[in-house]
Amino acid sequence: SQQGEEDPQALSIQEGENATMNCSYKTSINNLQWYRQNSGRGLVHLILIRSNEREKHSGRLRVTLDTSKKSSSLLITASRAADTASYFCATTALYSNYQLIWGAGTKLIIKP
Amino acid sequence: DAGVIQSPRHEVTEMGQEVTLRCKPISGHDYLFWYRQTMMRGLELLIYFNNNVPIDDSGMPEDRFSAKMPNASFSTLKIQPSEPRDSAVYFCASGDRGHAYNEQFFGPGTRLTVL
Repeated sequence: SQQGEEDPQALSIQEGENATMNCSYKTSINNLQWYRQNSGRGLVHLILIRSNEREKHSGRLRVTLDTSKKSSSLLITASRAADTASYFCATTALYSNYQLIWGAGTKLIIKP
Repeated sequence: DAGVIQSPRHEVTEMGQEVTLRCKPISGHDYLFWYRQTMMRGLELLIYFNNNVPIDDSGMPEDRFSAKMPNASFSTLKIQPSEPRDSAVYFCASGDRGHAYNEQFFGPGTRLTVL
């Protein structure tokens, strides 16, 4: 079942611009993760933020988490053509037994 | 480590045939997940194992689907008989609770086409 909803469903920007994607979820969580999927490939883990964290950085990635609004955002700064991919959020519910609940994904296109 | 290995990468079969998808998880991982991805339904969890034992198979569409994990280094997903609506990309993923808070490592997927 899908808990998360990514917003927007698709995003097209110029290389060098920043890209922001949002994820909303429904239940209380242990943590939230973001994954990237290049066309025709498997998903690759990008970053994880725990429920007691509000912001996390990894290279050009910045993730925020607002548990009161049950939402997260992924910011990619100074986008590159290689960032073209689909991005998914996934949550682990409280007291979960390891299962991830996935969103529908945002398709990001970076125009050169 | 080679990562999660799946075979075959592509499978084209005719309706009614049996299809077997294979997965080798990352050594040392004690969780294994089978997912299906389609444009219409997105990423769906079919079944997952912990220490080779099936924990939750509620996502398996119907009796035509079965999954086994005979040992820690091998799992299969079988569809018998296959139908055109089974056409999708099937992913295997593995993880280790002790590694990093539920991060999952995905294989490259098997693209299944049922004619």
